[in-house]
Amino acid sequence: GENVEQHPSTLSVQEGDSAVIKCTYSDSASNYFPWYKQELGKRPQLIIDIRSNVGEKKDQRIAVTLNKTAKHFSLHITETQPEDSAVYFCAASRRDDKIIFGKGTRLHILP
Amino acid sequence: SAVISQKPSRDICQRGTSLTIQCQVDSQVTMMFWYRQQPGQSLTLIATANQGSEATYESGFVIDKFPISRPNLTFSTLTVSNMSPEDSSIYLCSVEVGVSEAFFGQGTRLTVV
Repeated sequence: GENVEQHPSTLSVQEGDSAVIKCTYSDSASNYFPWYKQELGKRPQLIIDIRSNVGEKKDQRIAVTLNKTAKHFSLHITETQPEDSAVYFCAASRRDDKIIFGKGTRLHILP
Repeated sequence: SAVISQKPSRDICQRGTSLTIQCQVDSQVTMMFWYRQQPGQSLTLIATANQGSEATYESGFVIDKFPISRPNLTFSTLTVSNMSPEDSSIYLCSVEVGVSEAFFGQGTRLTVV
């Protein structure tokens, strides 16, 4: 089955700098790669996703890149702000199938 | 999108007892999922619940311990049976809408004493 590896487990960046979180997956049939943000005590919420037919997607300060050949994808947050502090999960799935999550990255934005 | 109501939001239970968690969705969905999340950890899939068929359990989870019901396309329950302190965790239900986008309930924080 699918296995998703996520790095780093913890990341601290100065406010205003960029943050990058990287994930790899094992199942070449996976075609959907979402990213979730979970604030303390709250449910995970989708922040951006990418499908296998595109290599990059951007939404304001957040972007995701996908390399299907290498089976890895990354989340990029630019101009980080204090409200970006949270745990971020990458995930992978096939269409209409279960979603498998990475172990998460705890992002700290330093003042 | 989907709005998911999950209850209870938290509970403290005695070991050896059982707790049933309910998940109600505001629209009909084919698949519902149950996850467990230890504090500070990732989401571990317990099982997939399809309406009209037996739930599909992931490795390490069994029906006797986590029986699931899915009586219709908007509702599911997860029971944590014969609880022990190791079952203390957050349990979340989830649905997928559209092409795989997942929405989560607010979670049930379970403490077993």
